[in-house]
Amino acid sequence: EVQLVESGGGLVQPGGSLRLSCAASGFAFSNFALTWVRQAPGKGLEWVSSISGHSGSTFYTDSVKGRFTISRDNSKNTLYLQMNSLRAEDTALYYCARDSVVVPAGQDSFSYWGQGTLVTVSS
Amino acid sequence: DIQMTQSPSSLSASLGDRVTITCRSSQSIRNYLNWYKQKPGKVPELLISAASSLHSGVPSRFSGGGSGTDFTLTISSLQPEDFATYYCQQSYNFPWTFGQGTKVEIK
Repeated sequence: EVQLVESGGGLVQPGGSLRLSCAASGFAFSNFALTWVRQAPGKGLEWVSSISGHSGSTFYTDSVKGRFTISRDNSKNTLYLQMNSLRAEDTALYYCARDSVVVPAGQDSFSYWGQGTLVTVSS
Repeated sequence: DIQMTQSPSSLSASLGDRVTITCRSSQSIRNYLNWYKQKPGKVPELLISAASSLHSGVPSRFSGGGSGTDFTLTISSLQPEDFATYYCQQSYNFPWTFGQGTKVEIK
């Protein structure tokens, strides 16, 4: 059974940092790209970042470029999102999702999702 | 960025109704279109990938169609568990983008 378990969320002041983690199990971790999707309270889904199976390719939405860094440790079956210079508009539930392909491109979809970890940016 | 526009934004329907949700992209995305369902307070679930391929375990009352810029999600006979918000998402170009969602409510 595929499982994705996020952690690391919390309350942080504007300008602060957080590191989210997503522990995965139940599938061949390095064979799939992974993605972070966020959902602000009462709002829709927003793609944040994706990383290929062997970390060779990373992708970011413009609003987080230069502030967030996605990475993965295939030896630990864990995905990360380092979030720096946090802003109020980054407040959201952050989901880890498993892609359907090894390199995010074309016929890709988010087949499995974690329960999410809440990030609140407020003074 | 490719804009994804869903219509309607919300709808009310009765059990057993046939429901169709439309998703339009701002440029052609071939068939690189996915549909997700999200119940309140729950995690999104993949329903359909590549415009028309039903994800494993998804009931056959769900179907998807379209290509290019216009896509549909159809529920042939609405069931109690189908009352939720539905999102389309393109995987043609980065940034991946979602539609704003369509909330299906009980009439």
